[in-house]
Amino acid sequence: GEDVEQSLFLSVREGDSSVINCTYTDSSSTYLYWYKQEPGAGLQLLTYIFSNMDMKQDQRLTVLLNKKDKHLSLRIADTQTGDSAIYFCAEKGYGGSQGNLIFGKGTKLSVKP
Amino acid sequence: DTAVSQTPKYLVTQMGNDKSIKCEQNLGHDTMYWYKQDSKKFLKIMFSYNNKELIINETVPNRFSPKSPDKAHLNLHINSLELGDSAVYFCASSQDSPINEKLFFGSGTQLSVL
Repeated sequence: GEDVEQSLFLSVREGDSSVINCTYTDSSSTYLYWYKQEPGAGLQLLTYIFSNMDMKQDQRLTVLLNKKDKHLSLRIADTQTGDSAIYFCAEKGYGGSQGNLIFGKGTKLSVKP
Repeated sequence: DTAVSQTPKYLVTQMGNDKSIKCEQNLGHDTMYWYKQDSKKFLKIMFSYNNKELIINETVPNRFSPKSPDKAHLNLHINSLELGDSAVYFCASSQDSPINEKLFFGSGTQLSVL
């Protein structure tokens, strides 16, 4: 079945770049997603990338996709304390028009001042 | 206005009780979901509901049942609550699309079973 793997913790200093990595198994995934969960809140879509793209940049966020290795990464430039949160990688699960998202276990990003 | 709202935010109850969590979305989306997030933050889908078609994650006990009075609501009923049901439950919705499944989440209901 589909599986999404990501490391559980990442700690960086304010101003540094953060790179959160993710591997997935379903090569038919059309879109891949990054969601952000702040403490006590629900998940919010941060960004997504279409599978025919290698890279997508959105302000401080850069998403890199390596389809051959089924590897997705999220780079946050100039990381701020407000970026401290849990980041979930997700791919669309197999299941036709009602396919649901398969989430990784989340990477907790801690930003130290 | 909150796009996906769920109530209550906190729910504390005794083992064996029956409880419900309500969810409403004002986005006009076609599909709604319930997710469970355990204490380690692992997120698993429980149900998706679209046009009266329910897809159930086979690992969900039948004590859990979703009820959809209309397209904008998907409530979660839980019978005979157990200690292991303690978790944060998230409602979500998406526009029906075979390709792009961007989810919009509610802020969660923290359920504590004593």
